[in-house]
Amino acid sequence: DTEVTQTPKHLVMGMTNKKSLKCEQHMGHRAMYWYKQKAKKPPELMFVYSYEKLSINESVPSRFSPECPNSSLLNLHLHALQPEDSALYLCASSQHRLAGGYEQYFGPGTRLTVT
Amino acid sequence: SQELEQSPQSLIVQEGKNLTINCTSSKTLYGLYWYKQKYGEGLIFLMMLQKGGEEKSHEKITAKLDEKKQQSSLHITASQPSHAGIYLCGADESSNTGKLIFGQGTTLQVKP
Repeated sequence: DTEVTQTPKHLVMGMTNKKSLKCEQHMGHRAMYWYKQKAKKPPELMFVYSYEKLSINESVPSRFSPECPNSSLLNLHLHALQPEDSALYLCASSQHRLAGGYEQYFGPGTRLTVT
Repeated sequence: SQELEQSPQSLIVQEGKNLTINCTSSKTLYGLYWYKQKYGEGLIFLMMLQKGGEEKSHEKITAKLDEKKQQSSLHITASQPSHAGIYLCGADESSNTGKLIFGQGTTLQVKP
């Protein structure tokens, strides 16, 4: 089973709202990732968690707050977003992070629209 | 920083035709990954290549990594409408971060 699930599939939120994106995997992977993808662009890395600890933050604005409650779950908390934050948010997981050579498996994404 | 260049940017082929997509790196590749994406959906992992000269196949898709580990190709034989989508190559930024960088993608249309 190489499934990564994400909820919700679509989300529309105002600039003053607080919402969360959720990601789950049951492959026993110890690295989990958040990516942002704008239309017709490749995914851009936002955060990496390794063994439930934040390992990489790609200088993401603080209005995005990641959380890894356990090895299977990854959340992205959203607050006071801007319209330019509208994008497809992708979650991924892999066996490890500290060494390359481990393929990442992606979820179906959450389409976020900020109004 | 490492960059990946994909070519062509887009491709329209007749069903049944063969096609090749290329991915070129500015630096030696530690790991090269091929993904497929339908618009607005997640990325589907296709294949990973690590060794110079390595070649892998799955169904009608073959991926190769050159000996110098700076160029990879993805070849589809006898294309079908189900092959349509965006093909992305990704590479490990280094040997010890697990951070992936992606090429800009190649959009493939297959005409029945």
